[in-house]
Amino acid sequence: QVQLVESGGGVVQPGRSLRLSCATSGFTFSAYPMHWVRQAPGKGLEWVALISYDRSDTYYADSVKGRFTISRDNSNNTLYLQMNTLRPEDTAVYFCARDLSDLTTLVNWGQGTLVTVSS
Amino acid sequence: EIVLTQSPATLSLSPGERATLSCRASQSVNSNLAWYQQKPGQAPRLLIYDASSRATGIPARFSGSGSGTDFTLTISSLEPEDFAVYYCQQRSNWPPALTFGGGTKVEIK
Repeated sequence: QVQLVESGGGVVQPGRSLRLSCATSGFTFSAYPMHWVRQAPGKGLEWVALISYDRSDTYYADSVKGRFTISRDNSNNTLYLQMNTLRPEDTAVYFCARDLSDLTTLVNWGQGTLVTVSS
Repeated sequence: EIVLTQSPATLSLSPGERATLSCRASQSVNSNLAWYQQKPGQAPRLLIYDASSRATGIPARFSGSGSGTDFTLTISSLEPEDFAVYYCQQRSNWPPALTFGGGTKVEIK
């Protein structure tokens, strides 16, 4: 079955960096676009970033553009999110999600990893 | 940026009742709209995509309708496990950027 497992979350000071990973299994990872979505405590969902299946294209929400970088390793079936210059408002649970291949629909989700930005 | 507005914010119903959730877009999204269910402490789960197509394994009591700017998620007869928060979501044409509605909480009356 499809599995996505995020890791790398934790407590980090404002201005510092963190890298999240999403290990996947149960599907052909290299064939699908992938996303990161986040959810601040008690709030709704916010899309963060998208990467094409072959790494050729990446897209970001305005709130993270220039600070976050999405990447993938198709040989290891793993998705990444490099987060730099973190702000308190980046505090959230970060989910990775598989795209349906329409660049729109998030068909499978991981359980999420919590990132807390605080001094 | 396309804004999705969901209503009502909270829906209080009893098991067995029909739930009707609304999602309105600030401009047309054609049929590029999905619905997700999220329970406390869990990841969202895809219910409906392309406005009206049920995702794999989703019970037939869940249905989606609409196109353009007005969309509806209907749960024909609420089961105890359906009490949750529901989000609609769309993608802008280009560059792709996904946006979510604010959510509707379906709670037990």
